[in-house]
Amino acid sequence: VQLVESGGLVVQPGGSLRLSCAASGFTFDDYTMHWVRLVPGKGLEWVALINWDGEKTFYADSVKGRFTISRDDKKNSLYLQMNNLRSEDSAFYYCAKDREELVRTGLLDYWGQGTLVTVSS
Amino acid sequence: EIVMTQSPVTLSVSPGERATLSCRASQSISTNLAWYQQTPGQAPRLLIFGASTRAAGIPARFSGSGSGTEFTLTISSLQSEDFAVYYCQYYNNWPPYTFGQGTKVEIK
Repeated sequence: VQLVESGGLVVQPGGSLRLSCAASGFTFDDYTMHWVRLVPGKGLEWVALINWDGEKTFYADSVKGRFTISRDDKKNSLYLQMNNLRSEDSAFYYCAKDREELVRTGLLDYWGQGTLVTVSS
Repeated sequence: EIVMTQSPVTLSVSPGERATLSCRASQSISTNLAWYQQTPGQAPRLLIFGASTRAAGIPARFSGSGSGTEFTLTISSLQSEDFAVYYCQYYNNWPPYTFGQGTKVEIK
């Protein structure tokens, strides 16, 4: 299993960014996928998930209405569209795979190396 | 939302010694508890799920226990590669999924 995130940048407050995660080594469209972020000095925060079938998405309250998670099963890729970014969104963003196929457990058995988003003027 | 609280924030331990980390849930979560390890610059790694089941490839020196609101991760004999930050996480089939704030295990 390999998960490789990309797209992290320095962006101004109010700006937008799209993160990508390329997945390999497993049947991507059988698994719920997640984004989790690490704020230095603060710990891990679950951000969003998308079901294996793409039909359900869930978000942390802190990002609801600003972030959108999506997937392209043909490309084995996961995305996070981040709009109206705030300084408190600065973090390492990880994509992570749910442990069980065809269900949603929230148990994350593989993680990428992360991509750094910095929101600053 | 269920709040997860870990203690201590920092644990200073000598190599070869035992480390005991605690995690408390704000309400009962049965055994829907996982532990992750993160070393600097690395991805988090799943250690324990179901409060006490080791994930694939995790050494036997890692063990988890507890149910309800009180949980413990024990590292029986610390190796150099075990100095890291450890997070507990509540999980089930309905988000949000909450993490504790982490315990840093450092070399004494």
